Amino acid sequence: EVQLVESGGGLVQPGGSLRLSCAASGFTFSDHYMDWVRQAPGKGLEWVGRTRKKANGYTTEYAASVKGRFTISRDDSKSSLYLQMNSLKTEDTAVYYCATVGSHFAFDYWGQGTLVTVSS
Amino acid sequence: DIQMTQSPSSLSASVGDRVTITCRASQGISNYLAWFQQKPGKAPKSLIYAASSLQSGVPTKFSGSGSETDFTLTISSLQPEDSATYYCQQYNSYPLTFGQGTRLEIK
Repeated sequence: EVQLVESGGGLVQPGGSLRLSCAASGFTFSDHYMDWVRQAPGKGLEWVGRTRKKANGYTTEYAASVKGRFTISRDDSKSSLYLQMNSLKTEDTAVYYCATVGSHFAFDYWGQGTLVTVSS
Repeated sequence: DIQMTQSPSSLSASVGDRVTITCRASQGISNYLAWFQQKPGKAPKSLIYAASSLQSGVPTKFSGSGSETDFTLTISSLQPEDSATYYCQQYNSYPLTFGQGTRLEIK
């Protein structure tokens, strides 16, 4: 059974940093692109970014709203995905989900999400 | 960026009904279109990819169609558990973008 478990969310002040983790199991993590998607309270879904797999150089893509502030990385030996968030703004307040990207390049599975609150 | 526009924003239907949700892309995206279901307080669930292919385990009451700019999600034989918000998403080009969501209420 595929499982994605996010952690690391919490309350942080504007300008602060936070690192989210996504622990994966039940599939061959290293074979998959992985994404982060967020959802502000009461709002819709917003794509944050992507990391490709080793065969594609672990390259990354980001939404313009987070580019230069957020960094996505992965550790295939630990089947883990990370989101380093720096220079956080109040508008980054959201539930952050990790998601697998299937061979068809669409999202397959989602984690349960972790809440990040940016507030003074 | 490609804008995804869903209609309607919300709808109400009865048990046993069939409903259709529309998603329009601001430019052609071939069939790189996915649909998701999200219930309150829960993570999204993937329903359809490539505009019309069902994700594993998704019941056949869900069906998708369309290409380029116009897409539909049809849900037949509505049940109370189908009450949720439904999102479309394009993955033709970066940034990946979602529609604003359609809230489905079962009367």
